[in-house]
Amino acid sequence: GAGVSQSPSNKVTEKGKDVELRCDPISGHTALYWYRQSLGQGLEFLIYFQGNSAPDKSGLPSDRFSAERTGGSVSTLTIQRTQQEDSAVYLCASSLVGRDRGIVYGYTFGSGTRLTVV
Amino acid sequence: AQSVTQLDSHVSVSEGTPVLLRCNYSSSYSPSLFWYVQHPNKGLQLLLKYTSAATLVKGINGFEAEFKKSETSFHLTKPSAHMSDAAEYFCVVSEGGGSTLGRLYFGRGTQLTVWP
Repeated sequence: GAGVSQSPSNKVTEKGKDVELRCDPISGHTALYWYRQSLGQGLEFLIYFQGNSAPDKSGLPSDRFSAERTGGSVSTLTIQRTQQEDSAVYLCASSLVGRDRGIVYGYTFGSGTRLTVV
Repeated sequence: AQSVTQLDSHVSVSEGTPVLLRCNYSSSYSPSLFWYVQHPNKGLQLLLKYTSAATLVKGINGFEAEFKKSETSFHLTKPSAHMSDAAEYFCVVSEGGGSTLGRLYFGRGTQLTVWP
């Protein structure tokens, strides 16, 4: 597609359940990010995938959070045993990254998945 | 180390007056710099980007930003604010090399209010 697609757009789940959030980046984009934005807060970095490099997982808040990117394209963010503090908008972004210097193109963000844990 | 500092968490202006949103950064390599805007209940939209070409960058909706290496600044300006500019604005730095190549660093955001 023309943009970054995230699904579902909204998710309400019960505390303790597992959820999976999906991100379809722009075709050919090598870099993919997951961020989350809580009410009244800034953007919190979660995880970064770049090409075939090992992902930067330094932003994942706990071991309940994990993410994978299959075939260098679609990414899934999984939250196990959800807690109320996990409620937030989860944003995915993708971009091309040049090998010989840094970013040339701006990242394109998806519309996000609004997760509500009740 | 990389960091982005947006100097004002809130900026209020009257419609038709100039807008200045300030951003300072630190970077180990030649960075790329961006401004994103987020309207209420909307996704992040790229306003403009600097990638080592002209230091004065023009973006959408009449916004501009000037990269000043000596001051490590990338302030966002608009000559005349419009009501529709009310939103949250994020200054973002992307590292140009090293182990964190391509990683984005977000400022905490500046909420712009435009009064009629």
